[in-house]
Amino acid sequence: DAGVIQSPRHEVTEMGQEVTLRCKPISGHNSLFWYRQTMMRGLELLIYFNNNVPIDDSGMPEDRFSAKMPNASFSTLKIQPSEPRDSAVYFCASSLTGTGPEKLFFGSGTQLSVL
Amino acid sequence: AQSVTQPDIHITVSEGASLELRCNYSYGATPYLFWYVQSPGQGLQLLLKYFSGDTLVQGIKGFEAEFKRSQSSFNLRKPSVHWSDAAEYFCAVAAHQGGKLIFGQGTELSVKP
Repeated sequence: DAGVIQSPRHEVTEMGQEVTLRCKPISGHNSLFWYRQTMMRGLELLIYFNNNVPIDDSGMPEDRFSAKMPNASFSTLKIQPSEPRDSAVYFCASSLTGTGPEKLFFGSGTQLSVL
Repeated sequence: AQSVTQPDIHITVSEGASLELRCNYSYGATPYLFWYVQSPGQGLQLLLKYFSGDTLVQGIKGFEAEFKRSQSSFNLRKPSVHWSDAAEYFCAVAAHQGGKLIFGQGTELSVKP
């Protein structure tokens, strides 16, 4: 299995632009998580889905952030409009519900820089 | 609410020296506790976990951690550090439902030759 695949690996954009981060979970996994990692706040859970349905989005910082999971093999995290303080590494992770959090698999992350 | 604190942002040790990374958690029930390692440019890899039973757990790459309920701690240790251990280390606590992990801020480990 190729693991959790995130794209792009790096994204550089200008303030005000729309940014879309993509994630392909491991085939068969039905839970998907988006995390953000910054120096100031460490690793934060933004949102997680179970069977394509958002379960907890309390970590989404503000309305500029939105996440979708149109099917079991694809999810997006969108920032519109982007701001310099959104610069961070965004991780996607997936698991099979019921296997416990130890079976969480992380992607390699997307390094976002907003200028 | 659950929370995790890693008091040390950055630690430097000499190769061959012992290592201890601190982690304190706040959680009302018996926690699920984890340590993850993140190498530069890589995602997170699980080092070890504690759910119940023996409070000293062994992980990969020669790491171990000890759960101390009285101190609300889950410190990570390694007897002899290798240069390849240089990375960022995250402690995490999980709720009992699903895979919702709450992470600490992370501790960056540097290894001197």
